[in-house]
Amino acid sequence: DAGVIQSPRHEVTEMGQEVTLRCKPISGHDYLFWYRQTMMRGLELLIYFNNNVPIDDSGMPEDRFSAKMPNASFSTLKIQPSEPRDSAVYFCASSIAWGGTGANVLTFGAGSRLTVL
Amino acid sequence: GENVEQHPSTLSVQEGDSAVIKCTYSDSASNYFPWYKQELGKRPQLIIDIRSNVGEKKDQRIAVTLNKTAKHFSLHITETQPEDSAVYFCAASRVPPGGYQKVTFGTGTKLQVIP
Repeated sequence: DAGVIQSPRHEVTEMGQEVTLRCKPISGHDYLFWYRQTMMRGLELLIYFNNNVPIDDSGMPEDRFSAKMPNASFSTLKIQPSEPRDSAVYFCASSIAWGGTGANVLTFGAGSRLTVL
Repeated sequence: GENVEQHPSTLSVQEGDSAVIKCTYSDSASNYFPWYKQELGKRPQLIIDIRSNVGEKKDQRIAVTLNKTAKHFSLHITETQPEDSAVYFCAASRVPPGGYQKVTFGTGTKLQVIP
């Protein structure tokens, strides 16, 4: 498996533009998480899905942010309209549900670095 | 919800010395505590973890301890090397019966190992 795949790796956009970040989780993983990382706030959980269903979106900063998971192999995080304070690295991570033997280890993607001018 | 506090935020040690990073959590139902290492410009990766039924776990130069009563857990790195320089995140996770997995991270510790 190629791991968690995120695109784009880098995005530079102007304030007010729409931004769409994409994520392909590891096949067979039934949890998908979106995190935002900044120097000031560290790793913040934005939203997570279980079996494509959003479970907790309490970390989504405001209505400008939305996330979807139309199927088990794809998720998007959309920001519309974008603002300079949205500049951050956005990580997607996936995991498999806690099993009898294991732990819920998160496998992170390489991240999408967003710069909003 | 769960709240994880991590200290210190930065740590500098001489090569060969030990480093200790401490975390506290608030949700007594948390039952799994992983540690992630993030090198500069890279993604976080799991380095060690511990479950709530274990008090200590060791893997070569790294070890983690857990005090469930006090809701504390710590990462210990012995004989530090320059390649240990990174940001380390603790996390707390719970999967209640019939519930959903949720992982809450601490704010991170930037470790610098001085050659």
